[in-house]
Order: sequence, then C-alpha cells, then structure tokens
Amino acid sequence: GAGVSQSPSNKVTEKGKDVELRCDPISGHTALYWYRQRLGQGLEFLIYFQGNSAPDKSGLPSDRFSAERTGESVSTLTIQRTQQEDSAVYLCASSLDRLSYLVGYTFGSGTRLTVV
Amino acid sequence: DQQVKQNSPSLSVQEGRISILNCDYTNSMFDYFLWYKKYPAEGPTFLISISSIKDKNEDGRFTVFLNKSAKHLSLHIVPSQPGDSAVYFCAARSYGQNFVFGPGTRLSVLP
Repeated sequence: GAGVSQSPSNKVTEKGKDVELRCDPISGHTALYWYRQRLGQGLEFLIYFQGNSAPDKSGLPSDRFSAERTGESVSTLTIQRTQQEDSAVYLCASSLDRLSYLVGYTFGSGTRLTVV
Repeated sequence: DQQVKQNSPSLSVQEGRISILNCDYTNSMFDYFLWYKKYPAEGPTFLISISSIKDKNEDGRFTVFLNKSAKHLSLHIVPSQPGDSAVYFCAARSYGQNFVFGPGTRLSVLP
C-alpha cells in the first residue's frame, strides 16, 4: 500500500483481557518497528523485525507483550492480560532496511489503546 | 536514563516569528539525527535530518543545527505558520542501531 496501515485505530478493552494490534507495512520494506507513546511521554521502542532475522525484542516491557511478523508482511502485536499502564498509542513504522536512515521510518497513524 | 532529551514540553510562538526547538543527547556515538512532526491522530512524519559530519542543514523554512561538542541540536522554523502547530520529536541513532526518540515539544503558532 501507499503507507503504513494500522488497525484498529482505537481499542477500548477491560483490564485482564488480551488485545491484538495489526500493522501492514509499506510493500517492500524489510524493517518493521513497534513503538508506543504513553500520555506525556516520548516514543518508546518495543520491538524490531528485519527480514527473516531474529527480532530485536529488547524494548518489550514484560512477557505479556509479544509480536510476530511473517516474512516481510503483516505484523501483530499482542498484549496479554492488559493492565491500565498499557494504555498508550501503539505506533508501527517500516523502512527499507535498518540502514535506510536518510529519511528515517514511515509511521502509521497508530492504535490508541485504552484499558479500563 | 533518557539518551535524547527535549526539555521544553511546549512552546508558543507568534505567526511570522522564529520557532526554535531544542534537543540534547548524551550518547557521543550518535551520528545521525532526525526531526519528526506529529499532528493529532496521525503518525509522526519525517521533517529534516542531519549527519554528524555537518553542523547545519536547511530545507525551506526549516533549518537544523548540530553542535557536537555540546551534544545539542536545534530546529529553527522561519517564518512560523499556524500549520506548523504540532508535536516535534527529535531522534538520534548510532550506526546500525535503532533511532532513540525524545519526548517531544508541542509547538503552538498563534495567528
């Protein structure tokens, strides 16, 4: 597609429920990133995928968070047993590869997750 | 420990005047810097970049200055326009690593 697409755009869930967020990167982009932005804070790195290499999961805040990506296509971020502190905007970004830093990443519009 | 800091959470500027957004970093290995702009309900979009081999990069109304010795960069917008009102993120990286983002500065350009 023309841009990075994320769904849903908004999600309200009850504490303790699992949620799944989806990201469709730009076609041909081998690198995919998940970030989150909690209220009043900056962008927090969560996980990075590069092609078929093992993902960089160093930013995942707990084992309740996991993400998958099949090849160079769609990625899903799953949060199990959601907590109120998980409320944030979850942003997905893609780039040609990790070294294509000339213009940085292309971000999606994000999924606003609210845990009540 | 925040490696990229934007100490002003917000800034208000009159239309037509200069906006200066500041960013400080702690990692001397950072060699590439970006500014992103974010409107509400949209993802951040790339604005301008600078490599550590330069101290200035200009693109239209936007200029980024880099002071490596002070580990400081700034974004100048001249003249500021109401459409520039957004949150601006500074991001930095060292070669082969992911970008690290600052917390953002909300710019309001008043008509």
